[in-house]
Amino acid sequence: DVKVTQSSRYLVKRTGEKVFLECVQDMDHENMFWYRQDPGLGLRLIYFSYDVKMKEKGDIPEGYSVSREKKERFSLILESASTNQTSMYLCASSPFPLAYEQYFGPGTRLTVT
Amino acid sequence: AQSVTQLDSQVPVFEEAPVELRCNYSSSVSVYLFWYVQYPNQGLQLLLKYLSGSTLVESINGFEAEFNKSQTSFHLRKPSVHISDTAEYFCAVSEGGATNKLIFGTGTLLAVQP
Repeated sequence: DVKVTQSSRYLVKRTGEKVFLECVQDMDHENMFWYRQDPGLGLRLIYFSYDVKMKEKGDIPEGYSVSREKKERFSLILESASTNQTSMYLCASSPFPLAYEQYFGPGTRLTVT
Repeated sequence: AQSVTQLDSQVPVFEEAPVELRCNYSSSVSVYLFWYVQYPNQGLQLLLKYLSGSTLVESINGFEAEFNKSQTSFHLRKPSVHISDTAEYFCAVSEGGATNKLIFGTGTLLAVQP
């Protein structure tokens, strides 16, 4: 089975802190994604990566950056956390090119106070 | 730009009753369609998908969805729901390609009552 793990299930940070969210997949997938999930808004794509060191902005990249130094690991970075970044963050991966669905991690619920 | 519309934010239903969760998408090109389910405090799990072929697709737990190209819809149905089906359901669309980006709807909370 594909397994996508995220470093924390729950995280509480203070405004202005630098926050790292880590995601690891064990199926050698080329593509990895970071979403945030908010009530009534569904999932919105923050960034995605289609190869090591390659990244593209999604729909809401402002305030975030990403890093992909190894194929299995994709990190989301909040350079200076703000209260409006309080949300559920979901990581996903997918292979290329044979399958089309994405496989999701359990999510990290981040609260910024 | 593609978009996915799930008009119902919440659908309350009694146990053993039928249910339909609606999903419409906007795209002029061939698409791939997905339903994901999210149980409380969990990530998303793929429920079923339409890539090509038969327009009626089924999941292992009794859900089915029908791709209707003329109506640009991919509604999810189950003839008899269980308490354990209580979850949030997300419809998603992809145009495929190298990066396989998904566009998600806003989700529908299926609340099954005894």
